[in-house]
Amino acid sequence: QVQLVQSGPEVKKPGASVKVSCKASGYTFSSYRINWVRQAPGQGLEWMGWIDTYDGNTNYAQMLQGRVTMTTDKSSTRVFLELRSLRSDDTAIYYCAREIREEAYFDHWGQGSLITVSS
Amino acid sequence: SYVLTQPPSVSVAPGKTARITCGGNNIESKSVHWYQQKPGQAPVVVINDDNDRPSGIPERFSGSNSGNTATLTISRVEAGDEADYYCQVWDTSSDHLCVFGTGTKVTVL
Repeated sequence: QVQLVQSGPEVKKPGASVKVSCKASGYTFSSYRINWVRQAPGQGLEWMGWIDTYDGNTNYAQMLQGRVTMTTDKSSTRVFLELRSLRSDDTAIYYCAREIREEAYFDHWGQGSLITVSS
Repeated sequence: SYVLTQPPSVSVAPGKTARITCGGNNIESKSVHWYQQKPGQAPVVVINDDNDRPSGIPERFSGSNSGNTATLTISRVEAGDEADYYCQVWDTSSDHLCVFGTGTKVTVL
């Protein structure tokens, strides 16, 4: 069965960087884009961007341009999200989600990774 | 940028019908997807492409999309339907960005 398993919670100081991983299994890894979505405490869902696991192409939300990098490792079927220059308002649960087809819906989600930014 | 507006909350008695709206400019030209999110859990798609139900989603969930409003309808509401609901589209007019609605908390009275 399709599974997306994410790395564990982390606490970071303002200005630091964090790298979250998403391990995919149960399907052909390179056939689907992976998106990242975050959710601040008590807030709604915020789309961060996607990575094409076939060729590594990316598309990031404009508000994160310059601070975010998404990468993929086909050999381990993992996708990574790196966020730099962390601020307190980056505190959130970060989800990876599989896009069923281009510009469609997200049919499988990871369990979420809580990233806390605090001095 | 494209904006999707949802009511913050909807309250409904068990056995009644809940309707959650998602407003966006000419949203009928887009495919709308709906997610249910319960506390401490990841979102789950309950309606895709305006009105399709994924496998395992009860027939009580349905969707429609017309003009500037898409609607998620939950018939014969049960206590287990209490959750946050989000609509989602792709804004292909700009940089092909994904947009989520503001979210609606459904409370079962």
